[in-house]
Amino acid sequence: EAGVAQSPRYKIIEKRQSVAFWCNPISGHATLYWYQQILGQGPKLLIQFQNNGVVDDSQLPKDRFSAERLKGVDSTLKIQPAKLEDSAVYLCASSYRTPGRGVEQYFGPGTRLTVT
Amino acid sequence: GQQVMQIPQYQHVQEGEDFTTYCNSSTTLSNIQWYKQRPGGHPVFLIQLVKSGEVKKQKRLTFQFGEAKKNSSLHITATQTTDVGTYFCAGPNSGGYQKVTFGTGTKLQVIP
Repeated sequence: EAGVAQSPRYKIIEKRQSVAFWCNPISGHATLYWYQQILGQGPKLLIQFQNNGVVDDSQLPKDRFSAERLKGVDSTLKIQPAKLEDSAVYLCASSYRTPGRGVEQYFGPGTRLTVT
Repeated sequence: GQQVMQIPQYQHVQEGEDFTTYCNSSTTLSNIQWYKQRPGGHPVFLIQLVKSGEVKKQKRLTFQFGEAKKNSSLHITATQTTDVGTYFCAGPNSGGYQKVTFGTGTKLQVIP
């Protein structure tokens, strides 16, 4: 099966500019996550969707970050305006619950964002 | 909120030596997951443990879930250069909806 797709893979922008990331999860996965991973740290959950509804956005800086998942499939994450501290890898993941196995998250390759 | 800590943060081993990383949660977990992230790559799911005291093996990797379900360990026997990467444990949040909190990670470097 095809994995989680993300684009672009790399992005360099200046501070105060805007940027958008796209994610296409594995077909049939109802749950979609966006993570921010700063170099040397573990992934930090920004937002989680169940189908097209948000179930957790408690760590999303809502003054500058926004995300949507139209029709419960693809998702976009936007930053406007970007700050230097937003430099990180943005990972998209999707998951489904397997009886007896629980949740396995499948990650995309990520988008490496550099804000200068 | 829930915290998941891992030790050590970094580990350098000679190829062929064993390696262990430990994961500790501030809360009791219903299950624990382990992921591996190669340098420049993305996290890849390795395994999930559910039962108290559970031990699972994948070739040279042995995963253990503590009796109190608050800690876990990953042991690699006779490390190889292909084992290089960062190993994360992840535990579910109490809010359900398949949410997890990732640990701080242990970065393994294997010296050939």
